[in-house]
Amino acid sequence: QLQLQESGPGLVKPSETPSLTCTVSGGSISSSSYYWGWIRQPPGKGLEWIGSIYYSGKTYYNPSLKSRVAISIDTSKNQFSLKLSSVAAADTAVYYCAREIGLLTGFIQNWGQGTLVTVSS
Amino acid sequence: QSVLTQPPSASATPGQRVTISCSGSSSNIGSNTVNWYQQLPGTAPKLLIYSNNQRSSGVPDRFSGSKSGTSASLAISGLQSEDEADYYCAVWDDNLNGRVFGGGTKLTVL
Repeated sequence: QLQLQESGPGLVKPSETPSLTCTVSGGSISSSSYYWGWIRQPPGKGLEWIGSIYYSGKTYYNPSLKSRVAISIDTSKNQFSLKLSSVAAADTAVYYCAREIGLLTGFIQNWGQGTLVTVSS
Repeated sequence: QSVLTQPPSASATPGQRVTISCSGSSSNIGSNTVNWYQQLPGTAPKLLIYSNNQRSSGVPDRFSGSKSGTSASLAISGLQSEDEADYYCAVWDDNLNGRVFGGGTKLTVL
């Protein structure tokens, strides 16, 4: 059964560039059938798609975050990662990693449990 | 401000039917398939409906989805207390070249 587990710093300071990693088990991240994505949810608010990556390294980013986001994939470790630069308090959120089937006609099939990242000095 | 518009809240009594709407535009719902996610309190979202009207594995047939033009709907019949959750619609937006979510609807079972 596929499992996704996020890891990263729980607390970061403003202007820092935290990195989050999603470890995938029970399935190969190199499969051509899936995309791998990041979604976040500020406390008490709705979901926001951050971006997705294909096993080939092709990326798609939310235009509102594109200048600060970098998603990468490491097929040897079955992991993919998110870097968000110049964070501010508004970036405080639960960050979920996910497996997506397709893009235009696709959907998020599996979600990690989420990890809270708090931006505070 | 979400690209997709959902009512912030909905409520009904057990056994009733409730419908949650999701309004978009020609660049998202009008062009691509709609998905619905259920988020129970304190948990990660879960796929409920994909490709407009296909139930995800294990989802009871009390849940159904539909799409017409630039709007979509999620219907829940025979409402149960465990259906109390936040519901989100989502779709790919061709103009933004990215996935967009509705603002979410909090369903209360009275």
